[in-house]
Amino acid sequence: DQQVKQNSPSLSVQEGRISILNCDYTNSMFDYFLWYKKYPAEGPTFLISISSIKDKNEDGRFTVFLNKSAKHLSLHIVPSQPGDSAVYFCAASAPGGGSQGNLIFGKGTKLSVKP
Amino acid sequence: DAMVIQNPRYQVTQFGKPVTLSCSQTLNHNVMYWYQQKSSQAPKLLFHYYDKDFNNEADTPDNFQSRRPNTSFCFLDIRSPGLGDAAMYLCATSKTGQRNTEAFFGQGTRLTVV
Repeated sequence: DQQVKQNSPSLSVQEGRISILNCDYTNSMFDYFLWYKKYPAEGPTFLISISSIKDKNEDGRFTVFLNKSAKHLSLHIVPSQPGDSAVYFCAASAPGGGSQGNLIFGKGTKLSVKP
Repeated sequence: DAMVIQNPRYQVTQFGKPVTLSCSQTLNHNVMYWYQQKSSQAPKLLFHYYDKDFNNEADTPDNFQSRRPNTSFCFLDIRSPGLGDAAMYLCATSKTGQRNTEAFFGQGTRLTVV
């Protein structure tokens, strides 16, 4: 029973265009969402996050949008660059101590940006 | 500067032979996590340490154990590895009380069971 779903295993985009990676969640208790980027043979690295009190957070070329009513978030990369080619993981956590606050990950989406 | 270091990067072990994976951190974070990630799957939390307090996930098999002798080090022990335990094992750290800060991951140890 996946609480965080990334339904597209892969995405291919032309350099300079927009990349849109999607993530859906089922647990209405989640109030904090993160995107991680993972290159081959490396661990995931934090990219950007958003709290449930916001619907948008922007950091340079990366913007995350949150639609709480739809339980959906998306990561936009504009413009996409070949160096953005990686696996992107969506993660979420709920408030509270113990396991509640731990990150729940999606399966990831492999982004390929073609020159 | 590596902040979360996992050793070894690649580990081959025999079926049933105990194996230990290690993780060290220079961040002085009080929370350390172990995740298992199988091919094309989401990283799955096995357990975490909140300081010295061990927190096991309900569905983590007994075959998996962990030790944290001090703040900097954490070990994952697999007592009798099976073929199904072949995976990437990721160690991560975070700082308590700051949920708006991310978890820092190591590069992972890829475990092969033969």
